[in-house]
Amino acid sequence: DQQVKQNSPSLSVQEGRISILNCDYTNSMFDYFLWYKKYPAEGPTFLISISSIKDKNEDGRFTVFLNKSAKHLSLHIVPSQPGDSAVYFCALKPVQTGKLIFGQGTTLQVKP
Amino acid sequence: NAGVTQTPKFRILKIGQSMTLQCTQDMNHNYMYWYRQDPGMGLKLIYYSVGAGITDKGEVPNGYNVSRSTTEDFPLRLELAAPSQTSVYFCASSYKFEPGTQYNEQFFGPGTRLTVL
Repeated sequence: DQQVKQNSPSLSVQEGRISILNCDYTNSMFDYFLWYKKYPAEGPTFLISISSIKDKNEDGRFTVFLNKSAKHLSLHIVPSQPGDSAVYFCALKPVQTGKLIFGQGTTLQVKP
Repeated sequence: NAGVTQTPKFRILKIGQSMTLQCTQDMNHNYMYWYRQDPGMGLKLIYYSVGAGITDKGEVPNGYNVSRSTTEDFPLRLELAAPSQTSVYFCASSYKFEPGTQYNEQFFGPGTRLTVL
């Protein structure tokens, strides 16, 4: 029973366009929602997060949106760059614990 | 700071062999974690530790053991390797979690790719 789902295994966009990565969850007991980025042969690195009391957080080209009623999280990258090509994982933190629950990941390819 | 380091980078084991995956962090983090990542899957938590001498099971602990004798080191032990343990293993660390405060991100090592034949 997966609590966190990234339904798109892959996404391909043109350089300069917007990339939208999505994540759905089934449980309401999360207080932080995060995105991690992973390049091949490297460990994941933290990208951006949002707390459950907000619906948007922006950091440069990256914006995370949280729709709690729909239990949906998304990451927008604009403009997309070839260096953004990586696997993106959403990760959710349950209330009262420091542990994370990860989605399956979406492979983003940004074409020049 | 080297951050989180893991050794070895790659290993091939025969069924029934044992090995220890090493993990060290130099950020003085209280919390440390072991994850495995299978193809097309997210990271699954194997074990975690909230401080020296304290460990607890994660989502997929069967077939593994851990110890935490120092703040810096968190080795993962496979006693009887099985093909189902073929995976990429990531160690991570973070500062202490305090409920109601800003979440502290986890820092990951580069991973160990393990194949059991």
